[in-house]
Amino acid sequence: DGGITQSPKYLFRKEGQNVTLSCEQNLNHDAMYWYRQDPGQGLRLIYYSQIVNDFQKGDIAEGYSVSREKKESFPLTVTSAQKNPTAFYLCASSIDGEGKHFGAGTRLSVL
Amino acid sequence: EDQVTQSPEALRLQEGESSSLNCSYTVSGLRGLFWYRQDPGKGPEFLFTLYSAGEEKEKERLKATLTKKESFLHITAPKPEDSATYLCASLIQGAQKLVFGQGTRLTINP
Repeated sequence: DGGITQSPKYLFRKEGQNVTLSCEQNLNHDAMYWYRQDPGQGLRLIYYSQIVNDFQKGDIAEGYSVSREKKESFPLTVTSAQKNPTAFYLCASSIDGEGKHFGAGTRLSVL
Repeated sequence: EDQVTQSPEALRLQEGESSSLNCSYTVSGLRGLFWYRQDPGKGPEFLFTLYSAGEEKEKERLKATLTKKESFLHITAPKPEDSATYLCASLIQGAQKLVFGQGTRLTINP
């Protein structure tokens, strides 16, 4: 079955540490997205990529970085510059912005 | 500024008690209005896309409608398994990103 796989499901970050969240899709979608979800708030866009080797900042990109070396993969790094990283992170993919498919999410907490 | 607002924040119903969730949007140009269902600790599950005012879509006990300023998600005779957070989002003309509302947390009591 086609879909989006996020790993790990749970992740803990120590102060000053960078951590990387994985997102892999086998839907053959060109566009991929990273969202952050905080309790009681809507999803906020961190970064998105419409094609391999190209990506754009979303609304809350500070403290995050991404790469898009392969069509199937769009990893997100939460850097030490992100002072409030505790959240639920969601990866999504789509064709032409329509009917976005989401992964199961990664819950990041700070130790 | 493009904005999507959902109401109410939370809704508790008895099994079989029909109701509606509201999604108001103020965007520069709507390309599509999306509804999702999200269960606790999981990613959103796509339900519907609406493209133009007057359009309606149905799936089991859910029906989504769209006007020029808002969308409604009508739930008819709900069951406990319909309990979830329902998210709406707008896709803006010329953009590749969705603008999400904060969600409505729906609880159906047996």
